[in-house]
Amino acid sequence: LAKTTQPISMDSYEGQEVNITCSHNNIATNDYITWYQQFPSQGPRFIIQGYKTKVTNEVASLFIPADRKSSTLSLPRVSLSDTAVYYCLVGDMNAGGATNKLIFGTGTLLAVQP
Amino acid sequence: EPEVTQTPSHQVTQMGQEVILRCVPISNHLYFYWYRQILGQKVEFLVSFYNNEISEKSEIFDDQFSVERPDGSNFTLKIRSTKLEDSAMYFCASTTRGLYNEQFFGPGTRLTVL
Repeated sequence: LAKTTQPISMDSYEGQEVNITCSHNNIATNDYITWYQQFPSQGPRFIIQGYKTKVTNEVASLFIPADRKSSTLSLPRVSLSDTAVYYCLVGDMNAGGATNKLIFGTGTLLAVQP
Repeated sequence: EPEVTQTPSHQVTQMGQEVILRCVPISNHLYFYWYRQILGQKVEFLVSFYNNEISEKSEIFDDQFSVERPDGSNFTLKIRSTKLEDSAMYFCASTTRGLYNEQFFGPGTRLTVL
């Protein structure tokens, strides 16, 4: 599994766009990039997943450059309720077997202030 | 919207006692997982379960741990003889496919071992 590196923490203000970058220099051809969000005392929650270029859903956008060695999670107009830990995970979408456990790093603690 | 449920939300036990943590995964999901998170630390994979057997387990998941799917809905984690270091949040997760797909996490059970 490719190792990921992301900032330990970030600060923002309500209404701003937040971009969290994750580096994964050793990403493999079959690997997908997935982001999860975790609020205090809750289970992680899937945000978005992508393979290349740009993916957008109702919550966030994910930008992946051509070399795929990094990715950026973009949260538009954050609010206080977006304060959480954001995890970048990289894994093989086509791996055989029934496991495909998620390996979480330390994540990025996003603190949104009024 | 379907969700993973876990009971109890908080369990307090004495060291050496057995505990059973219960989970009801989303009904059409086939792959089940347990993770744990010690306070202030990373989410750690414990075990994955598919087709009524363990697919993979981590080194944390030693002989004191066991999992079971006793009927068509429940998925349980048993710790036979709890230790102080077992104190953590335990999260159950499920997914429809064993590929690197979105896993749905439950709200967690906070286990406190005294």
